[in-house]
Amino acid sequence: ILNVEQSPQSLHVQEGDSTNFTCSFPSSNFYALHWYRWETAKSPEALFVMTLNGDEKKKGRISATLNTKEGYSYLYIKGSQPEDSATYLCALLTGNQFYFGTGTSLTVIP
Amino acid sequence: DAGITQSPRHKVTETGTPVTLRCHQTENHRYMYWYRQDPGHGLRLIHYSYGVKDTDKGEVSDGYSVSRSKTEDFLLTLESATSSQTSVYFCAITSGGNTGELFFGEGSRLTVL
Repeated sequence: ILNVEQSPQSLHVQEGDSTNFTCSFPSSNFYALHWYRWETAKSPEALFVMTLNGDEKKKGRISATLNTKEGYSYLYIKGSQPEDSATYLCALLTGNQFYFGTGTSLTVIP
Repeated sequence: DAGITQSPRHKVTETGTPVTLRCHQTENHRYMYWYRQDPGHGLRLIHYSYGVKDTDKGEVSDGYSVSRSKTEDFLLTLESATSSQTSVYFCAITSGGNTGELFFGEGSRLTVL
């Protein structure tokens, strides 16, 4: 069992604020790092799949970076909107198994 | 949307009864996973499959068994349900490799009384 940690556990921000959260993982067991967005009453959906040290991915106002040597990834949201409210999960792929963090719950207040 | 469906979506059962959840995919993906989601624990892997008749245990496999007799179906069975198995169960599929993202089913909410 690998320990994937996410922080903070929850976050409330005002509309228009930028924010970021962290995913930490054991660097010695790395194949890929995934970020998923999970809205209430829906299923998780993939945001990014990151495989290389130094990877930076961007989708609209959301971006992510990866440091495999020190075992962390950051997810950034620029100019948060109410529709960004969701739980953001990271998952470490090692071998054939995905190990999920417990997620960061983001609430964007209009 | 990835073609992945779970059934049943909701089930209430009594302690000691057997329960089977079904995950069906139309994507011909090699890998299929069963997770349970509980407050404070996120998604925890129960079992997974890397091909027909090829399965392996995850971190919370006790009390669960699985079967995959064809590519499209992955069954999760609780031989004798207990209240601790009340949870939301998610199936996920991926084509594999280190760039393959997971596609999730809609979830199956199981309540064991």
